[in-house]
Amino acid sequence: AQSVTQPDIHITVSEGASLELRCNYSYGATPYLFWYVQSPGQGLQLLLKYFSGDTLVQGIKGFEAEFKRSQSSFNLRKPSVHWSDAAEYFCAVGPYNFNKFYFGSGTKLNVKP
Amino acid sequence: DVKVTQSSRYLVKRTGEKVFLECVQDMDHENMFWYRQDPGLGLRLIYFSYDVKMKEKGDIPEGYSVSREKKERFSLILESASTNQTSMYLCMVAGGETQYFGPGTRLLVL
Repeated sequence: AQSVTQPDIHITVSEGASLELRCNYSYGATPYLFWYVQSPGQGLQLLLKYFSGDTLVQGIKGFEAEFKRSQSSFNLRKPSVHWSDAAEYFCAVGPYNFNKFYFGSGTKLNVKP
Repeated sequence: DVKVTQSSRYLVKRTGEKVFLECVQDMDHENMFWYRQDPGLGLRLIYFSYDVKMKEKGDIPEGYSVSREKKERFSLILESASTNQTSMYLCMVAGGETQYFGPGTRLLVL
């Protein structure tokens, strides 16, 4: 069965510190992987996506993610967190033809001054 | 840019009422999805459609049905609303390796 697991419900980091949000997936076919961010009261915004090729993908707002097939993971990273990064982050997986799409349960990021 | 609109931003209904939520896209994309978003549970897939009159159940279809009579329009129907269907409902359209979200409908069932 297809599923996406984000094991951390809440994470708190200090401003300026590095960040890594974990995502593990279970998918029967070649996955397309995505990270979204949702600020309070806002819609979902795409941060980055991975389809094929280089396993380290760059996204907006200084985020990057690394696809590791052997670990079924697609972790999101940022070298230095800003207070405006406080939001909820969702990992998602879908097939090449996007006829199904699954989201993780989300990780809420809190940034300490 | 693709535009995805949902019929209402906020909706208040009574238990037992039939509720229609509509999603409309302005592009010619095949795949449309309905999710509900609840705190701590993320986005859970209710139903999706990959073409006109085609639909498939997602993870939590119970208590819901859908209709796709035209390519641009995908409706979610709560046959008899219950309080546990109080939630945020999000429509998503997928096409060209990109997903587009509607603004969401916050439904309160009293």
